[in-house]
Amino acid sequence: DAGVIQSPRHEVTEMGQEVTLRCKPISGHNSLFWYRQTMMRGLELLIYFNNNVPIDDSGMPEDRFSAKMPNASFSTLKIQPSEPRDSAVYFCASSLVATHEQYFGPGTRLTVT
Amino acid sequence: KQEVTQIPAALSVPEGENLVLNCSFTDSAIYNLQWFRQDPGKGLTSLLLIQSSQREQTSGRLNASLDKSSGRSTLYIAASQPGDSATYLCAVINQAGTALIFGKGTTLSVSS
Repeated sequence: DAGVIQSPRHEVTEMGQEVTLRCKPISGHNSLFWYRQTMMRGLELLIYFNNNVPIDDSGMPEDRFSAKMPNASFSTLKIQPSEPRDSAVYFCASSLVATHEQYFGPGTRLTVT
Repeated sequence: KQEVTQIPAALSVPEGENLVLNCSFTDSAIYNLQWFRQDPGKGLTSLLLIQSSQREQTSGRLNASLDKSSGRSTLYIAASQPGDSATYLCAVINQAGTALIFGKGTTLSVSS
């Protein structure tokens, strides 16, 4: 299995631009999570999907952030408009509901200038 | 609100030493606890998962223990090697299984 796949690995954009991050979970996993990692705040959960349905989005910082999971093999996290304080590493993780053991992707390093 | 604390924040040891990393959490109502390793600029690699009903898990030179009642977990690394240098993160998952709460990590440096 290829593991959790994220794209792009690096993204540099200017303030005000739209950014879309992509994630392909491990095949067969029915839970998907988006996290953000910064030096100041560490790893924070942004949103959690179960069977493609958003269950908890209380970690999404603002309305500028949105996430979708149109099918079991694909999810997106969109930031519109982006701001410099959004600069961070964004991780996607997936798991089986039965075990809750989470497997992380390599992350997308986002820089907003 | 669940809070996870890891002590120390950084640790430097010579090769061959046995060492213990500590993790504490404020709410004992957890589903499981997971230890991860993160190398610089990389993603997280799952090391060990301990279910709330378990006391410990072992994988190679790693042994993780869990004491729910006291809100503590330890990660024991035997005979440390330079390749063990990384940041080790502890995370607890709530009973609904909907969220992993992470500590800030312990950055380990093993010198040869």
